[in-house]
Amino acid sequence: GDSVTQMEGPVTLSEEAFLTINCTYTATGYPSLFWYVQYPGEGLQLLLKATKADDKGSNKGFEATYRKETTSFHLEKGSVQVSDSAVYFCALSDTVTGNQFYFGTGTSLTVIP
Amino acid sequence: DAGVTQSPTHLIKTRGQHVTLRCSPISGHKSVSWYQQVLGQGPQFIFQYYEKEERGRGNFPDRFSARQFPNYSSELNVNALLLGDSALYLCASSFERGGRVTQYFGPGTRLTVL
Repeated sequence: GDSVTQMEGPVTLSEEAFLTINCTYTATGYPSLFWYVQYPGEGLQLLLKATKADDKGSNKGFEATYRKETTSFHLEKGSVQVSDSAVYFCALSDTVTGNQFYFGTGTSLTVIP
Repeated sequence: DAGVTQSPTHLIKTRGQHVTLRCSPISGHKSVSWYQQVLGQGPQFIFQYYEKEERGRGNFPDRFSARQFPNYSSELNVNALLLGDSALYLCASSFERGGRVTQYFGPGTRLTVL
């Protein structure tokens, strides 16, 4: 079945450091891929998405490229800020399974000044 | 434009009781999905509704049920509550474009079962 695997946390970085959060997926069809962010006590916010191979999603300095050959969608940011501290979820939506969403377990990021 | 809204924000119940959670989607979105998020885990899919019809159901017991109303709002009902039902319940509304779906989440309802 469809699934998403993302790197274990927590991740702690200093401000202005480079961020990578790994995400790989297994899907039956041709999924869309997403990154969501969750701040403490809040729901999930859509951060970025990509709907086909080689697409790059980007938002607020974050980027992720849909790599079909490696079934990956790693999240990157060149220079993190304290305000980026949150939990990040990788997710997929597969047309074969009726566009049901599958989420990873989340990666907690803490950025220290 | 208003985002997805959910009520109540927090809820405390005791074992055996039932609970009703409510969700209003983004205007123009016809599909609503429900998720359970246990502390430290990713959201787990419970139900999806589109145009008042159930489109998908996750691996949850029959104690969980839902419905969607003509205005596309939705209710999630959980009967015979167990301690393990304590979680954040998230509602997401979605639109479809070119066969692809994007979901937008509400702030969630925090349910505590004592």
